[in-house]
Amino acid sequence: KNEVEQSPQNLTAQEGEFITINCSYSVGISALHWLQQHPGGGIVSLFMLSSGKKKHGRLIATINIQEKHSSLHITASHPRDSAVYICADPETSGSRLTFGEGTQLTVNP
Amino acid sequence: NAGVTQTPKFRILKIGQSMTLQCTQDMNHNYMYWYRQDPGMGLKLIYYSVGAGITDKGEVPNGYNVSRSTTEDFPLRLELAAPSQTSVYFCASSLSASGRRGHEQYFGPGTRLTVT
Repeated sequence: KNEVEQSPQNLTAQEGEFITINCSYSVGISALHWLQQHPGGGIVSLFMLSSGKKKHGRLIATINIQEKHSSLHITASHPRDSAVYICADPETSGSRLTFGEGTQLTVNP
Repeated sequence: NAGVTQTPKFRILKIGQSMTLQCTQDMNHNYMYWYRQDPGMGLKLIYYSVGAGITDKGEVPNGYNVSRSTTEDFPLRLELAAPSQTSVYFCASSLSASGRRGHEQYFGPGTRLTVT
């Protein structure tokens, strides 16, 4: 059974701090996904990565395939980064994703 | 493109009633998914479809039915609603399998359903 575990479950930071969210997964095929769920409920895809590192603005995602571990970093955090961050790992067939339970991030001004 | 649209946004059902949640995408995506998200919990897959005429069960299919007669539409049917089906329902689509080719999933805005 595919398992995806995230840590921490909840994270509170001050504006400007460097944030790290971790994700461990058990299957791992070609692409580990990171998504963001806004306070209003909308969900958007942030990254898909199968090796190394990807960067988009202040967000950086890294992955270690051998250890089946990925991290999402946010540099110079801002209150607008407050959201739930979710990682997801493909099932063996590749057709479906298994989602972690998410990390609730709150950035205070 | 409108992306993935869902209707209704909110609905309150009485126990035993039935309803259909509508989902439409205009991106010509082959794969479509229905998820539910209970408060404080992760997304759970209800049903998915890899193309018109093909559907398959996910983790939590009991109490639900789906059909995929066109590429664009993937309605979710709740029969005999129960309080345990109170949740937020998200529809999503992707061009191909999210695993093997790493195609991202695009999500609809969600439907908040309460069964009392």
